[in-house]
Amino acid sequence: QKEVEQDPGPLSVPEGAIVSLNCTYSNSAFQYFMWYRQYSRKGPELLMYTYSSGNKEDGRFTAQVDKSSKYISLFIRDSQPSDSATYLCAMRNSGYSTLTFGKGTMLLVSP
Amino acid sequence: GAVVSQHPSWVICKSGTSVKIECRSLDFQATTMFWYRQFPKQSLMLMATSNEGSKATYEQGVEKDKFLINHASLTLSTLTVTSAHPEDSSFYICSATTPFSDSYNEQFFGPGTRLTVL
Repeated sequence: QKEVEQDPGPLSVPEGAIVSLNCTYSNSAFQYFMWYRQYSRKGPELLMYTYSSGNKEDGRFTAQVDKSSKYISLFIRDSQPSDSATYLCAMRNSGYSTLTFGKGTMLLVSP
Repeated sequence: GAVVSQHPSWVICKSGTSVKIECRSLDFQATTMFWYRQFPKQSLMLMATSNEGSKATYEQGVEKDKFLINHASLTLSTLTVTSAHPEDSSFYICSATTPFSDSYNEQFFGPGTRLTVL
């Protein structure tokens, strides 16, 4: 079993839809959870980060962490064509900077 | 925000030659830099962690004699792919972090370098 599992997609939705992206993980030591957006042939950019369990909202984006289930989610409301990208979850232990990434989910938002 | 640049953004080389990729933190001092490799439709795989002024720490399975990393200053790390072969063709991404940032040791990523070995 890989440390972080993420469905590669692609996930195709119409503009305005609510998008749900998810990752599961096996390492209970993970404390920090991040979501990155990566456009084609570009480096990842940080969208959201959460420490331990709970929810965090930033504009159209909401990140959720359920440590008891080892499950994290990213919700995108009112999705836009410009949201079309690959979304990578990443996580790490407390005190370390080394990140473990999911494979990434490709999202396609059609106008 | 913190900006990390990479040069070149794209390089094509012949098999057997060496290629150097630079990673620079433009507006902050990076005590630690990371080098990742990403194959198409795959995740970022950490290759090595480099700290300024010391030897890089390589991940299991990464040949340190093939992927030479130098972190000579707080703003520059270089990755040299020696005797490159077609299987080394990939997207190489660096990131940088500093313990003095406002956040939680966030990694700031560069735009990546696409290496194609013919």
